[in-house]
Amino acid sequence: SQQGEEDPQALSIQEGENATMNCSYKTSINNLQWYRQNSGRGLVHLILIRSNEREKHSGRLRVTLDTSKKSSSLLITASRAADTASYFCATDAESGNTPLVFGKGTRLSVIA
Amino acid sequence: DVKVTQSSRYLVKRTGEKVFLECVQDMDHENMFWYRQDPGLGLRLIYFSYDVKMKEKGDIPEGYSVSREKKERFSLILESASTNQTSMYLCASSSQREKEYFGPGTRLTVT
Repeated sequence: SQQGEEDPQALSIQEGENATMNCSYKTSINNLQWYRQNSGRGLVHLILIRSNEREKHSGRLRVTLDTSKKSSSLLITASRAADTASYFCATDAESGNTPLVFGKGTRLSVIA
Repeated sequence: DVKVTQSSRYLVKRTGEKVFLECVQDMDHENMFWYRQDPGLGLRLIYFSYDVKMKEKGDIPEGYSVSREKKERFSLILESASTNQTSMYLCASSSQREKEYFGPGTRLTVT
């Protein structure tokens, strides 16, 4: 049961440009998390934003959360070739003791 | 630093074989998870465990079983491997349902 859906599925940009990925979800959440996955590797946690937060920053990453629209966005500023990876959002549902639900991811390609 | 290890990076097995995928974490996390990842389908949860000796079915448990005899180890078992179980398998652990730490993955091919 996939709750988070990322958009776009794939994104290709030039080095130095900003990259924006979006995530929509269906039910009320405790928090929303973003992960990164380099090709053929495990996922790495990037940032967690709680339901009572609207924006969070970590280095070149900026995450926003709009609980009224049930959506989040991940912005990577001044992208680098090393940012090439797949990015996933994951939601921690408010109700019940359930595991995180991951979306299908956005494949980002940063061209040098 | 936090570490989740998986027993193999690549594995090739024959149809009908019993397959064990091992996952070990060194963070004393109570929660552990097994996912499979296929192109276009994202991560799908197979089984998870919130405590030793405890296991819960995820979204796609059919054809799999798990074992958690010790807190740090969570094993995924394919009782009789089939070609449709060819996939990337990812193990993860977490504490208090916060961020998950993933292992490097096992790419399993069943021929």
